[in-house]
Amino acid sequence: DGGITQSPKYLFRKEGQNVTLSCEQNLNHDAMYWYRQDPGQGLRLIYYSQIVNDFQKGDIAEGYSVSREKKESFPLTVTSAQKNPTAFYLCASSQPKGQGYEQYFGPGTRLTVT
Amino acid sequence: AQRVTQPEKLLSVFKGAPVELKCNYSYSGSPELFWYVQYSRQRLQLLLRHISRESIKGFTADLNKGETSFHLKKPFAQEEDSAMYYCALSGRANFGNEKLTFGTGTRLTIIP
Repeated sequence: DGGITQSPKYLFRKEGQNVTLSCEQNLNHDAMYWYRQDPGQGLRLIYYSQIVNDFQKGDIAEGYSVSREKKESFPLTVTSAQKNPTAFYLCASSQPKGQGYEQYFGPGTRLTVT
Repeated sequence: AQRVTQPEKLLSVFKGAPVELKCNYSYSGSPELFWYVQYSRQRLQLLLRHISRESIKGFTADLNKGETSFHLKKPFAQEEDSAMYYCALSGRANFGNEKLTFGTGTRLTIIP
């Protein structure tokens, strides 16, 4: 079950610390996405990137940062400015619409900040 | 602005009974709608998309632009249909890669 990998599966951090979540894909997809999944709120888009060295804010970008230096990698940093960082984080990737549009998801990282 | 509403957080249906998971959307342009499913201990995955007009695992969904709905239906529920279902709408982003707006999800439980 390859394609998109996220590590680690569980992550614990103290309040005030920055933490970086890893997302790697071997699908050769151009676009990558980060979502946050909270009970009762569905998935909310944090950041997305459609091409290397470019990324856009999603609906809830405050307190988060990303980079896209390589096509296969799209790490997400949860900064100390994020007020409610404890959540389940999902990474996804897709090809452009003309090549068949479907987002492929990773297994997720559960972050707990205390 | 685009919005997806799934009014039911939880839905329980007896095995063999019909299933309908509701989805309503708000979008000013021409929408593309999807249903994603997350089975227990599995990744979120695409179930079906309206442009394909296909039936997957016995599920169908018809886009009703007049009612701005994209309800997911199956005539006879099976136990393996128990999962979390998300309706999603794509909105045009730059360069043609659409970003998705998800609903809050409906947890479907099939009662044996």
